[in-house]
Amino acid sequence: QKEVEQDPGPLSVPEGAIVSLNCTYSNSAFQYFMWYRQYSRKGPELLMYTYSSGNKEDGRFTAQVDKSSKYISLFIRDSQPSDSATYLCAMSGADGLTFGKGTHLIIQP
Amino acid sequence: AAGVIQSPRHLIKEKRETATLKCYPIPRHDTVYWYQQGPGQDPQFLISFYEKMQSDKGSIPDRFSAQQFSDYHSELNMSSLELGDSALYFCASSLGDPGFEAFFGQGTRLTVV
Repeated sequence: QKEVEQDPGPLSVPEGAIVSLNCTYSNSAFQYFMWYRQYSRKGPELLMYTYSSGNKEDGRFTAQVDKSSKYISLFIRDSQPSDSATYLCAMSGADGLTFGKGTHLIIQP
Repeated sequence: AAGVIQSPRHLIKEKRETATLKCYPIPRHDTVYWYQQGPGQDPQFLISFYEKMQSDKGSIPDRFSAQQFSDYHSELNMSSLELGDSALYFCASSLGDPGFEAFFGQGTRLTVV
């Protein structure tokens, strides 16, 4: 079993919809949780990071961590075509960053 | 703001040749990570350095080596290249190890022919 599980999609939603992206993990030693956005042929771009369980909001993005369930989410409100990209969750522990496989998100105009 | 700089952006090499990839971290960042990302794959951790010392090692082949220099830039040396080494190679930097804010460079696309 991979340490971090993420549905690769593709996930296709209409413009303006609320998007929910999720990852589960098995390693309880993970301490920091991050979401990266990656456009084709570009490096991953850090969107948000969280440390504790709960919600963290930044503009249209909300990151949610539930350590008891080993489950993290990224919500995107008022989705835009420019949000179309691959979203990777990543988790940090003593062994560095572990990535999910990424979810390919398509926002239809 | 300064970001992580990687060079070259593109590299084409033949089988059995060597390649050197360079990474310049964000100023004051002391930790560098190297990742390999194949087509449609998530980034696979290769190796990391903290304060010029190797801090962690992932799935890096024995044909590859890396180091971090006194100015904190890092180089990934790849020898006896194989077709399967064709991938995007990303470098990330952070402050501290493990740093929870790791910022990535734009990557080097290596093509082995």
